[in-house]
Amino acid sequence: AQTVTQSQPEMSVQEAETVTLSCTYDTSESDYYLFWYKQPPSRQMILVIRQEAYKQQNATENRFSVNFQKAAKSFSLKISDSQLGDAAMYFCAYRSGGLNYGGATNKLIFGTGTLLAVQP
Amino acid sequence: SAVISQKPSRDICQRGTSLTIQCQVDSQVTMMFWYRQQPGQSLTLIATANQGSEATYESGFVIDKFPISRPNLTFSTLTVSNMSPEDSSIYLCSAAADSYNEQFFGPGTRLTVL
Repeated sequence: AQTVTQSQPEMSVQEAETVTLSCTYDTSESDYYLFWYKQPPSRQMILVIRQEAYKQQNATENRFSVNFQKAAKSFSLKISDSQLGDAAMYFCAYRSGGLNYGGATNKLIFGTGTLLAVQP
Repeated sequence: SAVISQKPSRDICQRGTSLTIQCQVDSQVTMMFWYRQQPGQSLTLIATANQGSEATYESGFVIDKFPISRPNLTFSTLTVSNMSPEDSSIYLCSAAADSYNEQFFGPGTRLTVL
């Protein structure tokens, strides 16, 4: 079974600085997707970024980028120029890819989350 | 992306009663899901709501406790039956256009059982 581990329960960053959130996962599959979701105090889960395992290039969305190390099964999120609005719980999530691996179910497996505080 | 709303946003219920949570999507979607997020915890998938057939439940969750309806491609309900304080959680609905697209989440329903 697949597992997702976030080893940092809490992180803190100064406004305008850069912070990296860690995520590791375990799987025997070769085709899968990885996601970072943000959950602010409003509880609304927001998709931050997505990475397909078959793509070597790291995904980037404005100030958010990932460092995807497939061999190491590592998927970290880097937030540049941190803003007060980035303060939230961040969840790493895994999803199987192809139909042969249950991808048709679109089931997400979440890590335990990292609570990010942004200091003004 | 899909916009998802949930009703109620929060509720306080008495032990032994039931609560039905509604989830409405602003577009037709193939897949809808229900998650539970216990206080300070991560999200756990309860079930996949299938249109026109019974929901598919994850290990540890049963239909008698969490009956789900999916009458069409934009709407689903989750009922939390015979509630106990251990059911106090946030319940989130999500939806995806199909098997390979991202899931988008509703704002959640915060349930407190006394």
